Amino acid sequence: GNSVTQMEGPVTLSEEAFLTINCTYTATGYPSLFWYVQYPGEGLQLLLKATKADDKGSNKGFEATYRKETTSFHLEKGSVQVSDSAVYFCALSPSYSGAGSYQLTFGKGTKLSVIP
Amino acid sequence: GAGVSQSPSNKVTEKGKDVELRCDPISGHTALYWYRQSLGQGLEFLIYFQGNSAPDKSGLPSDRFSAERTGGSVSTLTIQRTQQEDSAVYLCASRHDRGRGNGYTFGSGTRLTVV
Repeated sequence: GNSVTQMEGPVTLSEEAFLTINCTYTATGYPSLFWYVQYPGEGLQLLLKATKADDKGSNKGFEATYRKETTSFHLEKGSVQVSDSAVYFCALSPSYSGAGSYQLTFGKGTKLSVIP
Repeated sequence: GAGVSQSPSNKVTEKGKDVELRCDPISGHTALYWYRQSLGQGLEFLIYFQGNSAPDKSGLPSDRFSAERTGGSVSTLTIQRTQQEDSAVYLCASRHDRGRGNGYTFGSGTRLTVV
């Protein structure tokens, strides 16, 4: 079946530090890949996405590149801010049709805390 | 509406009671999902509605859980005879069913606490 594995947190960084949150996946074909962010007390928000190999999703200074050869979609940001403190979820949507094809499969989430 | 609306935002209930959680999706979104987020866990798929098709109930953890979607819009998730392990945040999401590349729009969730 499909699965998403992301690095366990919590991750604590100082403001302006470089961020990487690793995400790897297992799926057949070419799934679509997503990063969602959940700020304290809120629901999940789509942060960025990529739908095919070598695509780069970007938003709010965050980037992730769809790497088919390593089945990865690592999230990066060059300089984090206190306001980036949140839980980040990597997810995939499968490329096939049929049973289960419309589900998003999520990783367990990585909590990021950025300190001034 | 502009976003996915869930109510109540918080619910505390006694063990053994029934609860109903409501989701109002984005107008025009044909796909609606319920997920459960437990402390320290990822998101667990519960149920999926797509238009007038039969729902995909494969993620419901037991027969105490049920959901319906009336008129292709509002959905209600019902948990009967609640147990303490049902305590979690229940998230609803909707999607315009135009391609698998479209991400979901999530509501803010209902935090259910069973005491």
